Amino acid sequence: QEHLVESGGGVVHPGRSLRLSCGASGFNFHNYAMHWVRQAPGKGLEWVATISYDGDFEYYTDFLRGRFTISRDNSKNSLFLQLNSLGPDDTAVYYCARERGFCSGGYCPRYYGMDVWGQGTTVTVS
Amino acid sequence: DIQMTQSPSSLSASVGDRVTITCQASQDITKYLNWFEQKPGKAPKLLIHDASILEMGVPSRFSGSGSGTDFTFTISSLQPEDIATYYCQQYHTRYTFGQGTKVAIK
Repeated sequence: QEHLVESGGGVVHPGRSLRLSCGASGFNFHNYAMHWVRQAPGKGLEWVATISYDGDFEYYTDFLRGRFTISRDNSKNSLFLQLNSLGPDDTAVYYCARERGFCSGGYCPRYYGMDVWGQGTTVTVS
Repeated sequence: DIQMTQSPSSLSASVGDRVTITCQASQDITKYLNWFEQKPGKAPKLLIHDASILEMGVPSRFSGSGSGTDFTFTISSLQPEDIATYYCQQYHTRYTFGQGTKVAIK
């Protein structure tokens, strides 16, 4: 059974940094792109970043202005999100999620959005 | 950026009622639309992809339709366990979620 577990959230002062982690199990991690999605308290879902199956390509939502960095370590089935220059608007539950499309032999037809989600880790900037 | 306009923002219906949620894209996204269910305190769950294809294990009372810019999500007979917030999401160009529809039992 596919499983994603986030960690690394907490309470942090404005301007500080935090590194989130996501451990994957139950599937071939290296065959899938991965995403981070966040949800502010009482608000909707907001896509944050995506990384290709091999880590060669990164995609970010425009509002980040270069403050966050997505990365992965396929040898450890792990996904990361480095959050820098945090502000109160970054307060949210951060979810890691698997890309629904399967990449095989270096070929990924396209990206289809998120199918498997972790339980989320909470970041509070205060 | 592609904007997704979802409506209504909330609704209340009786058990057994037919419930319909709409999602409109700001430009043509062909069939590249997902629908998610999110129960309180839980992660989202993918219900439908490619606008109308039900994920394995999702009850058949859930359905989706549409293409281009206009999409519909339907629960044919609302059940108590369907209390949740439902989101549409386009994946034609990057990803954008609708604002969500909170479904309650009357």
